[in-house]
Amino acid sequence: DSGVTQTPKHLITATGQRVTLRCSPRSGDLSVYWYQQSLDQGLQFLIQYYNGEERAKGNILERFSAQQFPDLHSELNLSSLELGDSALYFCASSVVVGLAGPHNEQFFGPGTRLTVL
Amino acid sequence: LAKTTQPISMDSYEGQEVNITCSHNNIATNDYITWYQQFPSQGPRFIIQGYKTKVTNEVASLFIPADRKSSTLSLPRVSLSDTAVYYCLVGESKGTSGTYKYIFGTGTRLKVLA
Repeated sequence: DSGVTQTPKHLITATGQRVTLRCSPRSGDLSVYWYQQSLDQGLQFLIQYYNGEERAKGNILERFSAQQFPDLHSELNLSSLELGDSALYFCASSVVVGLAGPHNEQFFGPGTRLTVL
Repeated sequence: LAKTTQPISMDSYEGQEVNITCSHNNIATNDYITWYQQFPSQGPRFIIQGYKTKVTNEVASLFIPADRKSSTLSLPRVSLSDTAVYYCLVGESKGTSGTYKYIFGTGTRLKVLA
């Protein structure tokens, strides 16, 4: 158990809908990362927050947005869903903000499996 | 943006040493290289990280050449439970704007045979 929790575990919805994925980081971790994993794209970085502020942005679609709240949990909002958005969505957390310096490992949650029908 | 590439798959027998290489041409100057293990339907799990030369912990070694454009994960004496997908993770920083991204390698599916 990494200490990172994600809810829900599974989510099935229809095209055009909007969903919210939730992540609680490990106790003491200020950084939260979101990744998408699909069969044809591998693990893709979406966005990172550090102590409530956006710090890095990957190939996140405009239909997707995220935020980190004062209690450090994070939510990833996916809207106008398409079939191609079906994937595993992982949240990770770390103590520090980047990969410079040691002890920067990211701890991953169990993921949310999103199926868009 | 250059891809961070790994061999797609590898087979090995129990007790053998396995070496998996990741090519990362655009790694950010100050960033460490991290390797993860992933089992089906689970989140990636940290194995080892390093900046240069060689790092060893209780489960693996990591070799990084001086130019840091690649790294090699070495798993000594693998067992059946090491069957998993292995990923490298690096950071890439582009241009004066300093746009930064976390880039996972393409992943190597390791199958350990009895």
